[in-house]
Amino acid sequence: NAGVTQTPKFRVLKTGQSMTLLCAQDMNHEYMYWYRQDPGMGLRLIHYSVGEGTTAKGEVPDGYNVSRLKKQNFLLGLESAAPSQTSVYFCASSPMGQSYGYTFGSGTRLTVV
Amino acid sequence: GIQVEQSPPDLILQEGANSTLRCNFSDSVNNLQWFHQNPWGQLINLFYIPSGTKQNGRLSATTVATERYSLLYISSSQTTDSGVYFCAAPSGGSYIPTFGRGTSLIVHP
Repeated sequence: NAGVTQTPKFRVLKTGQSMTLLCAQDMNHEYMYWYRQDPGMGLRLIHYSVGEGTTAKGEVPDGYNVSRLKKQNFLLGLESAAPSQTSVYFCASSPMGQSYGYTFGSGTRLTVV
Repeated sequence: GIQVEQSPPDLILQEGANSTLRCNFSDSVNNLQWFHQNPWGQLINLFYIPSGTKQNGRLSATTVATERYSLLYISSSQTTDSGVYFCAAPSGGSYIPTFGRGTSLIVHP
């Protein structure tokens, strides 16, 4: 039982490049989330999804897009990376209608130069 | 939205000491969670505690929802307790939790 798996674990991008972060969960959770973690800022919600085919904006959505074509996968895209998007990105999932049972992935460290 | 504030921001302990971490929230909540992020970055859910007290080994948590705070107690701290502790609570009517900025704990041997 893998839980929540994020790929890649590390990535360096040049300003203006694009990339997609993949989050996959095998717990049949309805809800999935993308957070970014910056020093001293805690975890800030970028986008989230309450089910297959749905997405919604969180606290800091600008510069990111997401898609949830399959229930088990939640993709985070950066269309034109900027140095301000240097961060550690975490994906999480939880059962429907419940914020307990939160399970996090191991994170992706992204550096934009 | 809800404001979640944690104190202290940093805490340094000697192994064996006890500590209390505090989480204040600005609105009424119907649930609250505590998480631990270890030095390698992994986030683990410690407690789901909308009210009352729960214990898990050397850790326990208490939430007083009417007074809008929660406390995390760590007894007989060990070096493996080091890391960052986050609390998270959703705004009223939402299930999406807002995270505090965390308490960074270092336990020295």
